[in-house]
Amino acid sequence: DAGITQSPRHKVTETGTPVTLRCHQTENHRYMYWYRQDPGHGLRLIHYSYGVKDTDKGEVSDGYSVSRSKTEDFLLTLESATSSQTSVYFCAIRGTGGSYEQYFGPGTRLTVT
Amino acid sequence: GNSVTQMEGPVTLSEEAFLTINCTYTATGYPSLFWYVQYPGEGLQLLLKATKADDKGSNKGFEATYRKETTSFHLEKGSVQVSDSAVYFCALIRDDKIIFGKGTRLHILP
Repeated sequence: DAGITQSPRHKVTETGTPVTLRCHQTENHRYMYWYRQDPGHGLRLIHYSYGVKDTDKGEVSDGYSVSRSKTEDFLLTLESATSSQTSVYFCAIRGTGGSYEQYFGPGTRLTVT
Repeated sequence: GNSVTQMEGPVTLSEEAFLTINCTYTATGYPSLFWYVQYPGEGLQLLLKATKADDKGSNKGFEATYRKETTSFHLEKGSVQVSDSAVYFCALIRDDKIIFGKGTRLHILP
């Protein structure tokens, strides 16, 4: 257990509204990641962070922004939600072992109507 | 570029059957290789890993051997249980980036 929580766990929102998902970790890990999981696509990286205020884009970053003002929190924001952003969102941290494995949170199921 | 290919599912087996889920990879150099498991409604859990050629990762009766010559990391278990029903993901890490296969859904019938 890497001490990762995500909130909310489920959310239904309307097209065009802003949405923020939160990832919280308790073990002071430097690297944090946001993925989305969709049938037929597996997991795709949205954004990641390598320290406070240090973030970078992943392969599907359009329509998403992130912020990391504290080590323990990594926020994912959909500025104006669209139906194509209906998905399950997972946060992950990088472990401190030399093989850089990642550990995942329980996920947030987001539905955009 | 780096990529992971794993067998299409779903795979359906009877309890106590032998399991193999194939995974092959394309990567430069020597990536670390992983299997993750995702149970319904949950996040991905690290199942096992191998960091160099000929390493064998093992956990909960599952095994996988890093085969550099065939660029493979096949997942095996000698006797599956109903509780092993889940989605299994093969992955590699290279240049600090993790790349996942698309997942293989496994159904075990009692």
